[in-house]
Amino acid sequence: DTGVSQDPRHKITKRGQNVTFRCDPISEHNRLYWYRQTLGQGPEFLTYFQNEAQLEKSRLLSDRFSAERPKGSFSTLEIQRTEQGDSAMYLCASSGGGDEKLFFGSGTQLSVL
Amino acid sequence: RKEVEQDPGPFNVPEGATVAFNCTYSNSASQSFFWYRQDCRKEPKLLMSVYSSGNEDGRFTAQLNRASQYISLLIRDSKLSDSATYLCVVNAGYALNFGKGTSLLVTP
Repeated sequence: DTGVSQDPRHKITKRGQNVTFRCDPISEHNRLYWYRQTLGQGPEFLTYFQNEAQLEKSRLLSDRFSAERPKGSFSTLEIQRTEQGDSAMYLCASSGGGDEKLFFGSGTQLSVL
Repeated sequence: RKEVEQDPGPFNVPEGATVAFNCTYSNSASQSFFWYRQDCRKEPKLLMSVYSSGNEDGRFTAQLNRASQYISLLIRDSKLSDSATYLCVVNAGYALNFGKGTSLLVTP
């Protein structure tokens, strides 16, 4: 059981740069979620995929954010023109079958300088 | 109003104590409810689902009151290892919305 894996674990970037994160869900899970978490807050929902279809996006997801899941397997989250306010932990989670229980990856910690 | 609200704590309790956390949610159409646990600098992990009739898992008991849109978690006989942040989670459409979490510190 490989669980949900995310890459990279940490990313430091300068304001204005683009960054891309990858998530590999549990292999038999068809549902994939991206969340963002800042210190002292719970995870905030960003977007949801069922297979390759992006079915829901939070209004938190500005035009600078885009997520894909091209073959219904791994997913990428790209942030363009990063801002200091984008600094956060980006968490990916997956679920499958008739079960809504989420299994999270270890996250990607983004620091925008 | 936030979709899921929790008392952030912190709750500091001695080992062996009983502690209760509360959570309210705003979406009356919500159907799925969970408690997750998050250790410092780690990802959230499922603690237990919450069912309408209430459910128990060892020292942990979860209750749901749909009329009041209120969820609770009771921890009996607290252990040092229970120290963590407890997150209340409620579905809204496809999304699962998390509360800010309640911090628990169990002391010797």
